[in-house]
Amino acid sequence: AQKVTQAQTEISVVEKEDVTLDCVYETRDTTYYLFWYKQPPSGELVFLIRRNSFDEQNEISGRYSWNFQKSTSSFNFTITASQVVDSAVYFCALSWQEYGNKLVFGAGTILRVKS
Amino acid sequence: AAGVIQSPRHLIKEKRETATLKCYPIPRHDTVYWYQQGPGQDPQFLISFYEKMQSDKGSIPDRFSAQQFSDYHSELNMSSLELGDSALYFCASSLPLMHGYTFGSGTRLTVV
Repeated sequence: AQKVTQAQTEISVVEKEDVTLDCVYETRDTTYYLFWYKQPPSGELVFLIRRNSFDEQNEISGRYSWNFQKSTSSFNFTITASQVVDSAVYFCALSWQEYGNKLVFGAGTILRVKS
Repeated sequence: AAGVIQSPRHLIKEKRETATLKCYPIPRHDTVYWYQQGPGQDPQFLISFYEKMQSDKGSIPDRFSAQQFSDYHSELNMSSLELGDSALYFCASSLPLMHGYTFGSGTRLTVV
C-alpha cells in the first residue's frame, strides 16, 4: 500500500526558531516521487519541492531545506529562522506511477509561527 | 508563466442541484487531475485524464462525472449535490514523469 504519514498534527513555534516537519512514506515501488506543498489560509496549494526516488541529495532553497533518506523512508522539511508568513498547513505527498500519476497526501501539519 | 486556471473560484449551490467546475491546464501539459479537499482534510484524488482519455479513477462518487475536451480543458460535473460535497476542488496538470505538476487555485463549493 502507498501511504504518507505526517505524525505532527500541529506545531507552534516562535518567530526565528527552526522547525522540522516530518514525513514518512510507504511504497513498494522503486520509482516514486515525493512532494511538499504549502497551503496558506487562502487555500491554494503552493508547490515547494519535487524529488524522485533516485535522487537522494538533500536540497536547500533559502530558508527551506529537505532531508531525503530512503533507508528510513523519510522526507523531512526544515524551515530555518521561521517567520509569521510561514504559518500554513504543510502537506507531504507521494506518487508512484510513471504516467497518469495521482498524489497521495499525508494528513498535513499545521504550522503556527508566533511573533 | 501560465498557470492552471479554475473557474469559478467560489460556488454556492443548494442540495440536489447540479454544479459544473472547469479547469484549464497549463499549455502542453498532457495530464489533468481532479482532487477534493474537505474541511480539515488532505486532498483526495478523484479522477485523471491523459490526452483526453480517463487514465485513473479514485474515490469519485457515481453522482460525479468528468471529461476532458479537445482543447484539453476539463470539466467536473456534480449532480444531486449533498451537504457533504462542500469542499475545495482542485485541478492539477502535469507533463510526463511528474514534471511541472501544478495545482490551480481551487474552486470552493458550498452546498446549502
